[in-house]
Amino acid sequence: TAGITQAPTSQILAAGRSMTLRCTQDMRHNAMYWYRQDLGLGLRLIHYSNTAGTTGKGEVPDGYSVSRANTDDFPLTLASAVPSQTSVYFCASSDSELAGINEQFFGPGTRLTVL
Amino acid sequence: GQNIDQPTEMTATEGAIVQINCTYQTSGFNGLFWYQQHAGEAPTFLSYNVLDGLEEKGRFSSFLSRSKGYSYLLLKELQMKDSASYLCAPMDSNYQLIWGAGTKLIIKP
Repeated sequence: TAGITQAPTSQILAAGRSMTLRCTQDMRHNAMYWYRQDLGLGLRLIHYSNTAGTTGKGEVPDGYSVSRANTDDFPLTLASAVPSQTSVYFCASSDSELAGINEQFFGPGTRLTVL
Repeated sequence: GQNIDQPTEMTATEGAIVQINCTYQTSGFNGLFWYQQHAGEAPTFLSYNVLDGLEEKGRFSSFLSRSKGYSYLLLKELQMKDSASYLCAPMDSNYQLIWGAGTKLIIKP
């Protein structure tokens, strides 16, 4: 199985442009997450979804939007990119309905540079 | 507020033992995770503690004291491939992970 995939691997984007980062998982996990990781800081949660059809805001949601039309896909959209959104973006998923350890599985990340 | 504190960087020698400490303050607590992250890669799960005490898994062990808001990750028989960042992440009352900035572990031969 592929697990969790992200696209693109990296991208350079002009400020003011929009972009959608894609995330797909084939583990049938109910919960999915988007994080950004910046040097010297911990992973920060942008948005999450506990189940298809629902989404929630994390710690740093401004400037980002998400949708969860089905179980497998959880795209992250930057409507009008700004240089402060330069970061590495990780998508993750977990089976939070399973009793016990509900570790999050991470995609390989998307490295985004906004100029 | 919620806060995670772990050392920024540690250095150890191949074959030795190293202990990475983590103190935390969270709104509620539903267990604590440790992840490993090699440079340029995604984090991968190492361990999970929800009760006080030591959990051993091969060369890696993780300890939790809920009353002290304290955990450590113990790595034995260090190998060069253990050079990575180690992320401490307690889970709060909303079942969200709160991530520390990570400890970069450098292994020297």
